[in-house]
Amino acid sequence: DADVTQTPRNRITKTGKRIMLECSQTKGHDRMYWYRQDPGLGLQLIYYSFDVKDINKGEISDGYSVSRQAQAKFSLSLESAIPNQTALYFCATSPTGRAGEQFFGPGTRLTVL
Amino acid sequence: GNSVTQMEGPVTLSEEAFLTINCTYTATGYPSLFWYVQYPGEGLQLLLKATKADDKGSNKGFEATYRKETTSFHLEKGSVQVSDSAVYFCALSRGGGYQKVTFGTGTKLQVIP
Repeated sequence: DADVTQTPRNRITKTGKRIMLECSQTKGHDRMYWYRQDPGLGLQLIYYSFDVKDINKGEISDGYSVSRQAQAKFSLSLESAIPNQTALYFCATSPTGRAGEQFFGPGTRLTVL
Repeated sequence: GNSVTQMEGPVTLSEEAFLTINCTYTATGYPSLFWYVQYPGEGLQLLLKATKADDKGSNKGFEATYRKETTSFHLEKGSVQVSDSAVYFCALSRGGGYQKVTFGTGTKLQVIP
């Protein structure tokens, strides 16, 4: 079984719709992250969480929100999707104190029409 | 701020050729350095790491040496296989409370039989 799972794997939606991407992990890690990947731009950090009560904005948080429902679950929401949010989204986890050693989910490909 | 610069791809090699993917970084202090690999349709996976100057990280035939004097962490493999075709990301992590991870933009490697 995968250690970090993401649902859905693919989603097509329309401008203005609310979308939620979900992430679950069985690694037992406290730290979780949401990234966006665009061709030629590498990974950009959207939000990160140290634990259920500690959530922080990353480099590109505008237009996104998150919820850490439990140690194992971290959801990303797009309140009103727009076409330039079309991208590949990754959830990741890391052990405390070893942020560079991240474990990634398989990604969600989101298309906003 | 911190930054990671990788050679642009795609890099196309024949099977059994020698691989070098260049990576240089800018950071204050003493970051930890990482290489991640992303196979088609998957999330990133940690390939190797080095935490201090002159350390050599190695895994699956890949190696990279942390060179502080040249601020580099080049990825090498002596004989590539078709199965090595993927996108490779160089990354760094600073110490401290958050230990933000900075990723390069990725280098696509294609190995042809």
